[in-house]
Amino acid sequence: GAVVSQHPSWVICKSGTSVKIECRSLDFQATTMFWYRQFPKQSLMLMATSNEGSKATYEQGVEKDKFLINHASLTLSTLTVTSAHPEDSSFYICSARESGAVSSPLHFGNGTRLTVT
Amino acid sequence: AQTVTQSQPEMSVQEAETVTLSCTYDTSESDYYLFWYKQPPSRQMILVIRQEAYKQQNATENRFSVNFQKAAKSFSLKISDSQLGDAAMYFCAYRSAWQGAQKLVFGQGTRLTINP
Repeated sequence: GAVVSQHPSWVICKSGTSVKIECRSLDFQATTMFWYRQFPKQSLMLMATSNEGSKATYEQGVEKDKFLINHASLTLSTLTVTSAHPEDSSFYICSARESGAVSSPLHFGNGTRLTVT
Repeated sequence: AQTVTQSQPEMSVQEAETVTLSCTYDTSESDYYLFWYKQPPSRQMILVIRQEAYKQQNATENRFSVNFQKAAKSFSLKISDSQLGDAAMYFCAYRSAWQGAQKLVFGQGTRLTINP
């Protein structure tokens, strides 16, 4: 089945530094990928929609300058948390759907646990 | 905007028994998809079952089945013969069938505990 690989699975960084999270579709092409954030014991909140070759679409309330998204190829999207602060600590999950397969479900990465100290 | 509501933050069931998780949604669209995802402690999101709104027949996947009531905008998940491995967070999700709208809208989740 379709696999989405997310890396790293966990990361600890110091306040003020930036951290990059990668999301790869391993056996399919994904024109669109999605980035979610999940706080403990809460649901997934969509942060942004990543579009290959164009700017990402951010949900209301999400700072685009803080959460930089780059979707440079049909198999890779990256989320960079810039100038991270402790409140950015969270679980980040990416997902993707095969290009052109409108009715197929999303495939999720295993998530990245970010801790900012 | 579409919304998804799961009114049961927590549910528990005895092993081998049946449990039903509730989900309601709000939309003005007529064509859409509904999903149930399972998130075990590993936090991997696992698709349990999906339903196309244009299909009247309720979806079934082994021990998992749904009760889809389109007019009532209700989409409940029934787990039969509950197993210890079913313990997880369960999220109901909605997606428009419109080709340009691909994002999933999730409910708040229901934590399911299986009692041995």
